[in-house]
Amino acid sequence: ELKVEQNPLFLSMQEGKNYTIYCNYSTTSDRLYWYRQDPGKSLESLFVLLSNGAVKQEGRLMASLDTKARLSTLHITAAVHDLSATYFCAVDVMDSNYQLIWGAGTKLIIKP
Amino acid sequence: DVKVTQSSRYLVKRTGEKVFLECVQDMDHENMFWYRQDPGLGLRLIYFSYDVKMKEKGDIPEGYSVSREKKERFSLILESASTNQTSMYLCASRRQGLAEAFFGQGTRLTVV
Repeated sequence: ELKVEQNPLFLSMQEGKNYTIYCNYSTTSDRLYWYRQDPGKSLESLFVLLSNGAVKQEGRLMASLDTKARLSTLHITAAVHDLSATYFCAVDVMDSNYQLIWGAGTKLIIKP
Repeated sequence: DVKVTQSSRYLVKRTGEKVFLECVQDMDHENMFWYRQDPGLGLRLIYFSYDVKMKEKGDIPEGYSVSREKKERFSLILESASTNQTSMYLCASRRQGLAEAFFGQGTRLTVV
């Protein structure tokens, strides 16, 4: 069965701290996507990781991909309240041009 | 700027009504998707389409149908709305190949 597992599913942290969200997947894939969703809103693309060893950074967020371990991480550095949101990872299904398999999402709350 | 537009942000319908949710994209994408999102259940794929008039069932197609008569438009139809179809509905599109999906703003449907 194709699965994408995120952990933790819920994370409450203080401003200024560092933390990492993990995304494990069971299928062979070298394409992984990270999205952000604010409460009541739709999903917004954050990062597109297209190969083993890919690393992308935007502000306090950094995403990486290890296709051998079937693992992606989203690292938050010196968290600020504005980063409070739910973060999803999604993986392309090999030999398919259109199906994405989604993680359950990680709800991140950053307290001032 | 990339755009996926859903026809309504909020809808309230009565049980048994036929409901149409419309989605339009302006990016000439081949692939379009309908998801529903419920608390604790993540994103679940209802239907997707990889070309005009082509469609495939996702994970939870029961009670839904879709229509794609033009490349830019993908409609989700609730044949006879029921209260368990109260949910957030998200439309997305993506081009073939190594590409992220772009989401519409979402339609929060309440069936009473």
